[in-house]
Amino acid sequence: SAVISQKPSRDICQRGTSLTIQCQVDSQVTMMFWYRQQPGQSLTLIATANQGSEATYESGFVIDKFPISRPNLTFSTLTVSNMSPEDSSIYLCSSLHGGTDTQYFGPGTRLTVL
Amino acid sequence: GESVGLHLPTLSVQEGDNSIINCAYSNSASDYFIWYKQESGKGPQFIIDIRSNMDKRQGQRVTVLLNKTVKHLSLQIAATQPGDSAVYFCAERSTGGFKTIFGAGTRLFVKA
Repeated sequence: SAVISQKPSRDICQRGTSLTIQCQVDSQVTMMFWYRQQPGQSLTLIATANQGSEATYESGFVIDKFPISRPNLTFSTLTVSNMSPEDSSIYLCSSLHGGTDTQYFGPGTRLTVL
Repeated sequence: GESVGLHLPTLSVQEGDNSIINCAYSNSASDYFIWYKQESGKGPQFIIDIRSNMDKRQGQRVTVLLNKTVKHLSLQIAATQPGDSAVYFCAERSTGGFKTIFGAGTRLFVKA
């Protein structure tokens, strides 16, 4: 199995600011994903991040709002830009491991925007 | 994004009983299905998976059943324990795809 860590684990931010969330995987993976989970709800895919290419965003999510970096095979960042209270959510990083097709998740970053 | 934005239904069972959690999926092209367990403050944890060429798969105390005709998936937990209390999500992935789309979760409460 893979171990995924995220930083920060939680943060409280002011409206209009930006937060960058870091995700570290303990093994090299081609595909990483970012999800959002609002309180009491399911997970919504934000984007897919492959190393060496631009992230692919799902409907309703745009690069200007959620820029993603994927500088190597073990690391990715998600930035939540120009935050508003509606961005308050848990943001989860995930990696897909070939061979087994198993997808692992980080512990999440709980973001509160005031 | 794709998801089911519903507040979570709840299933309450007595410790030692069997639990059955159900899920309906919508994409006929999905051929790989996964159940995840999410405890409070943690990310989803893989429990068991099944491919569309199977209708049943068993793990340790868990069984997943797949009915492609009605696009229904279920997770059965035998001898439910307090540590099984969590939110359970079904998820699907389509042929040749890599995006995992999550269904609505179910919150399982286990009464001691």
